[in-house]
Amino acid sequence: NAGVTQTPKFQVLKTGQSMTLQCAQDMNHEYMSWYRQDPGMGLRLIHYSVGAGITDQGEVPNGYNVSRSTTEDFPLRLLSAAPSQTSVYFCASRDQLAGGPISTDTQYFGPGTRLTVL
Amino acid sequence: RKEVEQDPGPFNVPEGATVAFNCTYSNSASQSFFWYRQDCRKEPKLLMSVYSSGNEDGRFTAQLNRASQYISLLIRDSKLSDSATYLCVVFHRSGGSYIPTFGRGTSLIVHP
Repeated sequence: NAGVTQTPKFQVLKTGQSMTLQCAQDMNHEYMSWYRQDPGMGLRLIHYSVGAGITDQGEVPNGYNVSRSTTEDFPLRLLSAAPSQTSVYFCASRDQLAGGPISTDTQYFGPGTRLTVL
Repeated sequence: RKEVEQDPGPFNVPEGATVAFNCTYSNSASQSFFWYRQDCRKEPKLLMSVYSSGNEDGRFTAQLNRASQYISLLIRDSKLSDSATYLCVVFHRSGGSYIPTFGRGTSLIVHP
């Protein structure tokens, strides 16, 4: 049981390049999400998904696309990288049914991808 | 104003001290509350849930005050290994999902 895995761990891009950050989980969690973490800003939600085929925008979705074709995978695509997207990106999954109340948060984070855009 | 506010610190305390952090939230419809711990350059990990009745786990105690819209974390008998950033997380209902908002984190440094 690997939990949540992310690849790559580090990436350097040039402005205008595109790339996909990979995220996979083997816990059969319905809910998955992407965050970015910048110094002094905490974690901000980019996109989330409550199940295969369903995605929605978070707090800072501009410049990013997601899709959820399987329960296991939730890739994040940068369409045209900009220096403002330099950040640490975390993927997370949660064992919670959409619409259900939560009293405990079983949210698991991947190890993160450190992205630099020059 | 950010929805979830935390004092960034750092809180610099000696081993054995008791330290408390607060986290205020602005959305009165917020429904679930948690504390996470994040070590330097690592992913956040769940520390504990916060219930209206309070929640204690060893040296850690979490409290929720709905009337004043804040949650707190108390750490007793601080250890060097408690040095980390502590993030509060608040969930609110949005459509059919529960959406988390993270605070910016409070940095704790425990020194010998």
